[in-house]
Amino acid sequence: AQTVTQSQPEMSVQEAETVTLSCTYDTSENNYYLFWYKQPPSRQMILVIRQEAYKQQNATENRFSVNFQKAAKSFSLKISDSQLGDTAMYFCAFMRNTGNQFYFGTGTSLTVIP
Amino acid sequence: KAGVTQTPRYLIKTRGQQVTLSCSPISGHRSVSWYQQTPGQGLQFLFEYFSETQRNKGNFPGRFSGRQFSNSRSEMNVSTLELGDSALYLCASSSGTGYLANTGELFFGEGSRLTVL
Repeated sequence: AQTVTQSQPEMSVQEAETVTLSCTYDTSENNYYLFWYKQPPSRQMILVIRQEAYKQQNATENRFSVNFQKAAKSFSLKISDSQLGDTAMYFCAFMRNTGNQFYFGTGTSLTVIP
Repeated sequence: KAGVTQTPRYLIKTRGQQVTLSCSPISGHRSVSWYQQTPGQGLQFLFEYFSETQRNKGNFPGRFSGRQFSNSRSEMNVSTLELGDSALYLCASSSGTGYLANTGELFFGEGSRLTVL
Protein backbone atom coordinates (compact mmCIF):
# COMPACT_ATOMS: atom_id res chain seq x y z
CA ALA A 1 0.00 0.00 0.00
CA GLN A 2 1.05 3.54 -0.66
CA THR A 3 1.25 6.07 2.16
CA VAL A 4 2.08 9.76 2.13
CA THR A 5 3.25 11.55 5.24
CA GLN A 6 3.34 15.27 5.90
CA SER A 7 4.85 15.78 9.32
CA GLN A 8 4.25 19.52 9.56
CA PRO A 9 0.57 20.22 10.30
CA GLU A 10 1.12 23.99 10.44
CA MET A 11 3.80 26.36 9.26
CA SER A 12 4.21 30.09 8.91
CA VAL A 13 6.55 32.28 6.94
CA GLN A 14 7.17 35.98 6.60
CA GLU A 15 6.18 37.56 3.35
CA ALA A 16 9.04 37.50 0.80
CA GLU A 17 10.87 34.75 2.70
CA THR A 18 11.40 31.14 1.65
CA VAL A 19 9.70 28.14 3.20
CA THR A 20 10.04 24.40 2.67
CA LEU A 21 7.25 21.91 3.21
CA SER A 22 8.18 18.28 3.80
CA CYS A 23 6.65 15.14 2.39
CA THR A 24 7.70 11.52 2.53
CA TYR A 25 6.03 8.56 0.93
CA ASP A 26 6.23 4.82 0.95
CA THR A 27 5.83 2.65 -2.11
CA SER A 28 7.29 -0.40 -3.77
CA GLU A 29 6.56 1.01 -7.21
CA ASN A 30 9.35 2.25 -9.46
CA ASN A 31 7.31 4.42 -11.80
CA TYR A 32 4.93 6.90 -10.27
CA TYR A 33 4.02 10.56 -10.04
CA LEU A 34 4.18 13.05 -7.20
CA PHE A 35 2.20 16.23 -6.85
CA TRP A 36 1.74 19.21 -4.60
CA TYR A 37 -1.78 20.62 -4.46
CA LYS A 38 -2.86 23.87 -2.85
CA GLN A 39 -6.25 24.46 -1.22
CA PRO A 40 -6.83 28.13 -0.33
CA PRO A 41 -9.38 28.85 2.41
CA SER A 42 -12.88 28.02 1.14
CA ARG A 43 -11.62 27.59 -2.38
CA GLN A 44 -11.02 24.63 -4.60
CA MET A 45 -7.85 22.67 -4.78
CA ILE A 46 -5.41 23.43 -7.57
CA LEU A 47 -2.20 21.83 -8.78
CA VAL A 48 1.02 23.57 -7.78
CA ILE A 49 3.65 21.28 -9.25
CA ARG A 50 4.16 17.69 -10.40
CA GLN A 51 7.14 15.38 -10.69
CA GLU A 52 7.55 12.15 -12.63
CA ALA A 53 9.60 9.62 -10.70
CA TYR A 54 11.62 8.61 -13.76
CA LYS A 55 12.91 12.18 -14.16
CA GLN A 56 15.95 13.00 -12.09
CA GLN A 57 15.64 16.72 -12.62
CA ASN A 58 13.62 18.52 -9.97
CA ALA A 59 10.49 20.23 -11.21
CA THR A 60 10.18 24.01 -11.03
CA GLU A 61 7.20 26.29 -11.57
CA ASN A 62 8.06 29.95 -11.08
CA ARG A 63 8.48 30.47 -7.31
CA PHE A 64 7.73 26.82 -6.56
CA SER A 65 10.31 24.07 -6.77
CA VAL A 66 10.70 20.57 -5.41
CA ASN A 67 13.53 18.55 -3.96
CA PHE A 68 12.85 15.00 -5.10
CA GLN A 69 14.98 12.34 -3.45
CA LYS A 70 13.80 9.03 -4.90
CA ALA A 71 16.00 6.77 -2.81
CA ALA A 72 14.94 8.52 0.37
CA LYS A 73 11.31 8.69 -0.83
CA SER A 74 11.22 12.37 -0.04
CA PHE A 75 9.44 15.10 -1.97
CA SER A 76 9.65 18.56 -0.41
CA LEU A 77 8.20 21.78 -1.77
CA LYS A 78 10.10 25.05 -1.63
CA ILE A 79 8.23 28.31 -1.97
CA SER A 80 10.45 31.30 -2.66
CA ASP A 81 9.49 34.95 -2.19
CA SER A 82 6.36 33.96 -0.28
CA GLN A 83 3.25 35.99 -1.02
CA LEU A 84 0.06 36.51 0.98
CA GLY A 85 -1.82 34.55 -1.66
CA ASP A 86 0.26 31.50 -0.84
CA THR A 87 -1.66 31.13 2.43
CA ALA A 88 -3.41 27.78 2.03
CA MET A 89 -3.42 24.12 2.91
CA TYR A 90 -0.84 22.23 0.92
CA PHE A 91 -1.25 18.56 0.14
CA CYS A 92 1.41 16.21 -1.10
CA ALA A 93 0.04 13.44 -3.32
CA PHE A 94 1.27 10.21 -4.88
CA MET A 95 -0.12 8.46 -7.92
CA ARG A 96 0.87 5.11 -9.38
CA ASN A 97 1.32 4.92 -13.11
CA THR A 98 -1.80 2.79 -13.49
CA GLY A 99 -5.10 4.53 -12.93
CA ASN A 100 -5.97 7.92 -11.52
CA GLN A 101 -5.96 6.90 -7.86
CA PHE A 102 -4.19 9.50 -5.78
CA TYR A 103 -2.92 9.09 -2.24
CA PHE A 104 -2.81 12.32 -0.27
CA GLY A 105 -0.99 13.37 2.84
CA THR A 106 -2.89 15.01 5.68
CA GLY A 107 -1.78 18.47 4.61
CA THR A 108 0.28 21.37 5.89
CA SER A 109 -1.47 24.61 6.70
CA LEU A 110 0.78 27.45 5.58
CA THR A 111 0.24 31.01 6.72
CA VAL A 112 2.15 33.87 5.12
CA ILE A 113 2.58 36.72 7.57
CA PRO A 114 2.69 40.27 6.21
CA LYS B 1 -14.03 26.18 -20.37
CA ALA B 2 -16.26 25.46 -17.38
CA GLY B 3 -14.62 23.81 -14.40
CA VAL B 4 -15.76 20.85 -12.35
CA THR B 5 -19.22 21.49 -10.95
CA GLN B 6 -20.54 19.82 -7.85
CA THR B 7 -24.08 19.97 -6.52
CA PRO B 8 -25.36 20.54 -3.96
CA ARG B 9 -22.70 22.65 -2.26
CA TYR B 10 -24.10 22.21 1.22
CA LEU B 11 -26.56 19.77 2.70
CA ILE B 12 -27.72 18.59 6.08
CA LYS B 13 -29.05 15.11 6.68
CA THR B 14 -29.93 13.02 9.69
CA ARG B 15 -28.59 9.62 10.63
CA GLY B 16 -30.08 6.79 8.63
CA GLN B 17 -30.96 8.90 5.60
CA GLN B 18 -29.28 8.60 2.26
CA VAL B 19 -27.73 11.25 0.05
CA THR B 20 -26.79 11.61 -3.61
CA LEU B 21 -24.10 14.01 -4.75
CA SER B 22 -23.56 15.05 -8.33
CA CYS B 23 -20.44 15.98 -10.28
CA SER B 24 -20.10 17.37 -13.79
CA PRO B 25 -16.51 17.10 -15.03
CA ILE B 26 -14.71 19.42 -17.36
CA SER B 27 -15.87 18.89 -20.91
CA GLY B 28 -13.87 16.13 -22.55
CA HIS B 29 -12.63 14.58 -19.31
CA ARG B 30 -13.54 10.92 -19.01
CA SER B 31 -12.04 10.21 -15.61
CA VAL B 32 -13.93 11.24 -12.48
CA SER B 33 -12.70 10.55 -8.96
CA TRP B 34 -14.31 11.11 -5.59
CA TYR B 35 -12.55 11.94 -2.34
CA GLN B 36 -13.73 12.41 1.22
CA GLN B 37 -11.99 15.22 3.08
CA THR B 38 -12.08 15.46 6.86
CA PRO B 39 -9.86 17.53 9.17
CA GLY B 40 -8.24 14.54 10.81
CA GLN B 41 -7.89 12.17 7.86
CA GLY B 42 -7.13 14.52 5.01
CA LEU B 43 -8.31 13.31 1.60
CA GLN B 44 -9.35 9.72 1.34
CA PHE B 45 -9.93 8.13 -2.06
CA LEU B 46 -13.43 6.76 -2.58
CA PHE B 47 -13.52 5.59 -6.20
CA GLU B 48 -12.64 6.48 -9.74
CA TYR B 49 -14.66 6.06 -12.90
CA PHE B 50 -13.44 6.08 -16.46
CA SER B 51 -15.81 5.78 -19.38
CA GLU B 52 -18.65 4.57 -17.13
CA THR B 53 -16.52 1.85 -15.51
CA GLN B 54 -15.30 1.86 -11.94
CA ARG B 55 -11.55 1.34 -12.21
CA ASN B 56 -10.43 1.84 -8.65
CA LYS B 57 -12.12 1.72 -5.28
CA GLY B 58 -10.88 2.92 -1.93
CA ASN B 59 -11.34 1.33 1.45
CA PHE B 60 -14.86 2.49 2.25
CA PRO B 61 -17.90 0.42 3.24
CA GLY B 62 -20.48 -0.65 0.71
CA ARG B 63 -22.76 2.18 1.86
CA PHE B 64 -20.68 4.37 -0.44
CA SER B 65 -21.41 3.81 -4.10
CA GLY B 66 -21.12 5.69 -7.32
CA ARG B 67 -21.75 5.63 -11.01
CA GLN B 68 -20.83 7.46 -14.15
CA PHE B 69 -23.07 8.26 -17.07
CA SER B 70 -22.31 8.25 -20.77
CA ASN B 71 -21.76 12.04 -20.70
CA SER B 72 -19.09 11.50 -17.98
CA ARG B 73 -21.22 13.07 -15.27
CA SER B 74 -20.94 11.16 -12.05
CA GLU B 75 -22.97 10.63 -8.92
CA MET B 76 -22.06 9.20 -5.58
CA ASN B 77 -24.53 7.88 -3.07
CA VAL B 78 -24.19 7.27 0.63
CA SER B 79 -26.88 5.19 2.27
CA THR B 80 -27.73 4.80 5.93
CA LEU B 81 -25.81 7.91 6.90
CA GLU B 82 -23.69 7.93 10.03
CA LEU B 83 -22.35 10.88 12.02
CA GLY B 84 -18.86 10.03 10.82
CA ASP B 85 -19.88 10.60 7.22
CA SER B 86 -19.90 14.35 7.84
CA ALA B 87 -17.22 15.66 5.51
CA LEU B 88 -16.39 17.63 2.41
CA TYR B 89 -16.82 15.39 -0.62
CA LEU B 90 -14.60 16.38 -3.50
CA CYS B 91 -14.96 15.39 -7.09
CA ALA B 92 -12.05 15.62 -9.49
CA SER B 93 -11.84 15.08 -13.20
CA SER B 94 -8.88 14.34 -15.40
CA SER B 95 -8.19 14.25 -19.10
CA GLY B 96 -5.55 11.58 -18.68
CA THR B 97 -6.16 7.89 -18.72
CA GLY B 98 -3.82 7.43 -15.79
CA TYR B 99 -1.60 4.97 -17.59
CA LEU B 100 2.11 5.57 -18.02
CA ALA B 101 2.86 8.96 -19.53
CA ASN B 102 -0.76 9.76 -20.35
CA THR B 103 -1.49 11.11 -16.91
CA GLY B 104 -3.33 14.33 -16.54
CA GLU B 105 -3.57 16.40 -13.43
CA LEU B 106 -6.68 16.35 -11.30
CA PHE B 107 -9.08 19.26 -11.56
CA PHE B 108 -11.16 19.60 -8.43
CA GLY B 109 -14.62 20.94 -7.83
CA GLU B 110 -15.47 23.11 -4.84
CA GLY B 111 -16.96 20.16 -3.02
CA SER B 112 -20.22 19.19 -1.38
CA ARG B 113 -20.20 19.72 2.36
CA LEU B 114 -22.33 17.11 4.07
CA THR B 115 -23.38 17.45 7.69
CA VAL B 116 -25.04 14.48 9.35
CA LEU B 117 -26.99 15.22 12.53
